[in-house]
Amino acid sequence: GAVVSQHPSRVICKSGTSVKIECRSLDFQATTMFWYRQFPKKSLMLMATSNEGSKATYEQGVEKDKFLINHASLTLSTLTVTSAHPEDSSFYICSAGTYQAPLQGYTFGSGTRLTVV
Amino acid sequence: GQQLNQSPQSMFIQEGEDVSMNCTSSSIFNTWLWYKQDPGEGPVLLIALYKAGELTSNGRLTAQFGITRKDSFLNISASIPSDVGIYFCAGLRGSQGNLIFGKGTKLSVKP
Repeated sequence: GAVVSQHPSRVICKSGTSVKIECRSLDFQATTMFWYRQFPKKSLMLMATSNEGSKATYEQGVEKDKFLINHASLTLSTLTVTSAHPEDSSFYICSAGTYQAPLQGYTFGSGTRLTVV
Repeated sequence: GQQLNQSPQSMFIQEGEDVSMNCTSSSIFNTWLWYKQDPGEGPVLLIALYKAGELTSNGRLTAQFGITRKDSFLNISASIPSDVGIYFCAGLRGSQGNLIFGKGTKLSVKP
């Protein structure tokens, strides 16, 4: 089945530094990847949609200069949290899908717990 | 952002009991998906539904795509302790695009 690998699973960084999170589709080509943020006991909040080879589409209220997304290949998308602040601490999750029909349902990575100190 | 109405918000049941949760929307969806999320993990797909009226099972789990295409339910039969977690419904309007999520149902199972 489809497998999405997300790395790192946990990261602690100092305020003002940048953190890169990787999302890889291991056994399929992901034409679209999605980045979510999840607060404790809350549902997933879509941050941006990333299509291979094009600029990401950000949801309203998400700062594109702060959350840099790169989808350079059909198997890799990265999210970089720039100049991180404590309020950026959260659980970040990616998911990947393919336009190859039928849609089997988007596959999620295992998430990255970011703590900014 | 937009979300689906998922209920109940939480459930506390005894091991062996059956569980039912549902999602409703004011809009039509072409695909309904049910995910389970364990603490500190990403959601894992349980069941995907593609046609109105479709009833699909995955072991002890059964889900249905409502005839109106505006709702879906998930049933878990004979619950066991490892069923504990948060269950999310998600809807997809086209064949592509982003998922719209419910707020989740937190399931607790007493052994």
